[in-house]
Amino acid sequence: DAGVIQSPRHEVTEMGQEVTLRCKPISGHNSLFWYRQTMMRGLELLIYFNNNVPIDDSGMPEDRFSAKMPNASFSTLKIQPSEPRDSAVYFCASSPLSLSIGELFFGEGSRLTVL
Amino acid sequence: GENVEQHPSTLSVQEGDSAVIKCTYSDSASNYFPWYKQELGKGPQLIIDIRSNVGEKKDQRIAVTLNKTAKHFSLHITETQPEDSAVYFCAASITTGANNLFFGTGTRLTVIP
Repeated sequence: DAGVIQSPRHEVTEMGQEVTLRCKPISGHNSLFWYRQTMMRGLELLIYFNNNVPIDDSGMPEDRFSAKMPNASFSTLKIQPSEPRDSAVYFCASSPLSLSIGELFFGEGSRLTVL
Repeated sequence: GENVEQHPSTLSVQEGDSAVIKCTYSDSASNYFPWYKQELGKGPQLIIDIRSNVGEKKDQRIAVTLNKTAKHFSLHITETQPEDSAVYFCAASITTGANNLFFGTGTRLTVIP
């Protein structure tokens, strides 16, 4: 299996621009998570989906952030408009378990720099 | 919500020595405690986990201990090797009815050859 695939691996953009991060989970996994990693705050859960349905988005920092999962094999995290404080590494992870926590399989991350 | 604290933030050991990383958690309902290893430029990867019905679990050179009364758990790495150098994260979760891992802030382990 190819694992969780994220794109782009690196993104540099200017403040105010729209950013879209993409994720392909491991086939057959029911749950998908978006995390943000910064030096100051560590790994923070932004949102997670179960069977393509958003379950908990309480970690999404503000309305500028949105996430979608139109099907079982694809998810996006969008930031519009982006701000310098959004600079971070964004990880997507998937899990084969729906109703109970288990191993998370992380992608290699998307490093976002907002100038 | 759950609060997980992790110490130390950095740790350097000589190759062959042992390394210990400690975490505490706040929610007594937490019953699942995984440890993830993150190598440079990669995503975190599960290396070992423990559930609250056991006090210790071993897998070759790594072991995890859990003290539910004190609400702390630890990762022990013996006979450290340079490839153990990475950032290690502990986490805590309630296994049922919730699908959220609360991560510690990470420990950067450096094994000096």
